[in-house]
Amino acid sequence: SQQGEEDPQALSIQEGENATMNCSYKTSINNLQWYRQNSGRGLVHLILIRSNEREKHSGRLRVTLDTSKKSSSLLITASRAADTASYFCATDEYGNKLVFGAGTILRVKS
Amino acid sequence: GAVVSQHPSWVICKSGTSVKIECRSLDFQATTMFWYRQFPKQSLMLMATSNEGSKATYEQGVEKDKFLINHASLTLSTLTVTSAHPEDSSFYICSASARGSVNTEAFFGQGTRLTVV
Repeated sequence: SQQGEEDPQALSIQEGENATMNCSYKTSINNLQWYRQNSGRGLVHLILIRSNEREKHSGRLRVTLDTSKKSSSLLITASRAADTASYFCATDEYGNKLVFGAGTILRVKS
Repeated sequence: GAVVSQHPSWVICKSGTSVKIECRSLDFQATTMFWYRQFPKQSLMLMATSNEGSKATYEQGVEKDKFLINHASLTLSTLTVTSAHPEDSSFYICSASARGSVNTEAFFGQGTRLTVV
């Protein structure tokens, strides 16, 4: 089963622009993780934010978590063509059993 | 970081045959492994939780007799798709959880693309 929704479902931007993706979930969580998947390939772990954290940064990535609203956002700044991929949030209720969101397809045009 | 190796990366088989997919944790012991399935342009759906030394726990709607899971050691879990049919064609991916880990990232295999003809 899937936790919830991600929006937008698809996002197309110009290189250099920022991309924001949102994720909502339904249950209590230990942490929330964001992954990237290039077409037909495996998953690349981007960032993990624990339930007691509100914001986390990693390079050009910024993730926020609002447990009261059960939502998270992923911001990619100064996007590059190589950022073109599908992005998924995944919630960890316990023991790394991840429930994935529907995903956002990001296309960065050069 | 920890490495999870999945094999094969792709396989084509005939309808009615069985296919085995392996998931290995290369540098850590994994008491728990997870198997996911992904259809084109869709998200990953958890199929089952594989526990070392005990029976797997299947998600609702997943046929345990169709998707046999064996987790015989702390570094290896296998998924066997039995009597495969074209509708079983999909991308299968495993993840492993290190023994005793809490609030850490999950480690994913590279995935296996199964095509049943």
